Amino acid sequence: GDSVTQMQGQVTLSEDDFLFINCTYSTTWYPTLFWYVQYPGEGPQLLLKVTTANNKGISRGFEATYDKGTTSFHLQKASVQESDSAVYYCVLGDMGYKLTFGTGTSLLVDP
Amino acid sequence: EAAVTQSPRNKVAVTGGKVTLSCNQTNNHNNMYWYRQDTGHGLRLIHYSYGAGSTEKGDIPDGYKASRPSQENFSLILELATPSQTSVYFCASGDPGLVYEQYFGPGTRLTVL
Repeated sequence: GDSVTQMQGQVTLSEDDFLFINCTYSTTWYPTLFWYVQYPGEGPQLLLKVTTANNKGISRGFEATYDKGTTSFHLQKASVQESDSAVYYCVLGDMGYKLTFGTGTSLLVDP
Repeated sequence: EAAVTQSPRNKVAVTGGKVTLSCNQTNNHNNMYWYRQDTGHGLRLIHYSYGAGSTEKGDIPDGYKASRPSQENFSLILELATPSQTSVYFCASGDPGLVYEQYFGPGTRLTVL
């Protein structure tokens, strides 16, 4: 079945640092990949979507890129702010409109 | 404002008891989902529904039942709660027209003693 792997469980940065989170996936379909973000006390919400057609997504200063050759999917931001502190999930979508979530990367940004 | 709401927000149950978690959505979405969130596992899909009267098994359905009596409401039922079902449960709604975007509720924290 489909699977998603996030090796970085926790990342601590200072404001204005560069953020890079890596994710790998496995699927038999042409993937549609997402990053969801979960702020404290809330449910997850969609941050970015990337399809095999466009290979890149951009939203709220975040950029996601996808590499079919290495089946990897990255999230990056040039300059993080304290308000970006949250849990970031790499997510794989299948043809049945179901989502497979990674284990999440907890980002803490020190002011 | 369109929203997904869950009740109760917190629940303490005893082992062997019956627990019902409720979800209501005003998004008019056809699809609804129940997930549980545990450290080290992310969110895992328990049951989902494509519309009123339909329920489908997700990736971890054992020990859970689901009910979708209407477009707006989707319930998760634990007939015989066990401590291993202690978790945070999230409901979500979505629609094929949104191409995978799901809208999540605020979660229910369930503790089974």
